[in-house]
Amino acid sequence: DQQVKQNSPSLSVQEGRISILNCDYTNSMFDYFLWYKKYPAEGPTFLISISSIKDKNEDGRFTVFLNKSAKHLSLHIVPSQPGDSAVYFCAAREYGNKLVFGAGTILRVKS
Amino acid sequence: NAGVTQTPKFQVLKTGQSMTLQCAQDMNHEYMSWYRQDPGMGLRLIHYSVGAGITDQGEVPNGYNVSRSTTEDFPLRLLSAAPSQTSVYFCASRPVDRGLSTEAFFGQGTRLTVV
Repeated sequence: DQQVKQNSPSLSVQEGRISILNCDYTNSMFDYFLWYKKYPAEGPTFLISISSIKDKNEDGRFTVFLNKSAKHLSLHIVPSQPGDSAVYFCAAREYGNKLVFGAGTILRVKS
Repeated sequence: NAGVTQTPKFQVLKTGQSMTLQCAQDMNHEYMSWYRQDPGMGLRLIHYSVGAGITDQGEVPNGYNVSRSTTEDFPLRLLSAAPSQTSVYFCASRPVDRGLSTEAFFGQGTRLTVV
């Protein structure tokens, strides 16, 4: 039973437009959420995170929104660039430091 | 900056063979972990360690053994490889969480094929 779900396997966006990647979770005990970016043949790299006590965190072109009542978070990338094309993983922290990952969403930014 | 180093990058095994995937980090991180990545499944935790001498099972531990004799190294052993273990394996490390920051640093991965 997947506790972290990324229901869109892929997303295609035009360069300069907004990319919105979504993530749903079922475990109300998660207290910290992260997004990772992964290029082919490389390991995932940390992108942005948010604590459960906040509803928004912004870092440059990247903003993560958390809706605890809906158990939903989203990553907004504005404006999208071709270099943003990658697989994006949503992850949540369980008590005891373990991270639980979603299946990932492939983002393609078309120029 | 070496970060997290995994070896080998690629490996082909025959069913029943054993091997060890190596992972080393030079950041003095207490926490290390192994994940496997399969299509449509994301990253799944195999084993993890919160410090030298301490290991525990993750979500998919069967068929894998680990040990942690030093802070730097966290090898993953396949005792008798099976085709179901064909996957990309990632090692990760990070400090034991003392705050709200839990970023993990990942190695570049080992692509393992069991035939």
